[in-house]
Amino acid sequence: GAGVSQSPSNKVTEKGKDVELRCDPISGHTALYWYRQSLGQGLEFLIYFQGNSAPDKSGLPSDRFSAERTGGSVSTLTIQRTQQEDSAVYLCASSLGVLSYEQYFGPGTRLTVT
Amino acid sequence: QKEVEQDPGPLSVPEGAIVSLNCTYSNSAFQYFMWYRQYSRKGPELLMYTYSSGNKEDGRFTAQVDKSSKYISLFIRDSQPSDSATYLCAPVSGSARQLTFGSGTQLTVLP
Repeated sequence: GAGVSQSPSNKVTEKGKDVELRCDPISGHTALYWYRQSLGQGLEFLIYFQGNSAPDKSGLPSDRFSAERTGGSVSTLTIQRTQQEDSAVYLCASSLGVLSYEQYFGPGTRLTVT
Repeated sequence: QKEVEQDPGPLSVPEGAIVSLNCTYSNSAFQYFMWYRQYSRKGPELLMYTYSSGNKEDGRFTAQVDKSSKYISLFIRDSQPSDSATYLCAPVSGSARQLTFGSGTQLTVLP
């Protein structure tokens, strides 16, 4: 079946602009995660959605970062007023839900802030 | 100190060698220990995982966890050039859902 998909695959933006990154999880997966992978920091957790519960936002680095998940499926990660240190690969993962620890990752969106 | 420490390598071995990849961790709450493989410019791919202490084998891959010493290992037997990738350990606790990743070990298997 189809895996996790993310769009765009690459995004170049100017410092100060807002960006939106999209994630389509595996069909039937109720849990969705966003991670960020950068050279200096490795892979870091950002935010977690499970069904209709309030998201776990404990990994978001600043209030410029936000995410939403509509209809329990597609998710959008928004970065406002982008900074150069936001340059990274943003990865989305999904899992079956509370009873599963197996997370399946998408290909990522490579964000470059100039 | 990071919760999960992993030797970044790079590690270079000849084809057919046995590879040992290791991580240490500090959080006693970790219960599930995942291993991911990541090819260049791709997303991480789940290889296998173990629960608590013990061994798990899947083909040429064996995952091992020693909770008493907080030590995680992945062994690759009969390594192949197609195994060349970055390997990431990622433990998770039973209550929190997010993975805590090691920095990854870059492996090259030479033909």
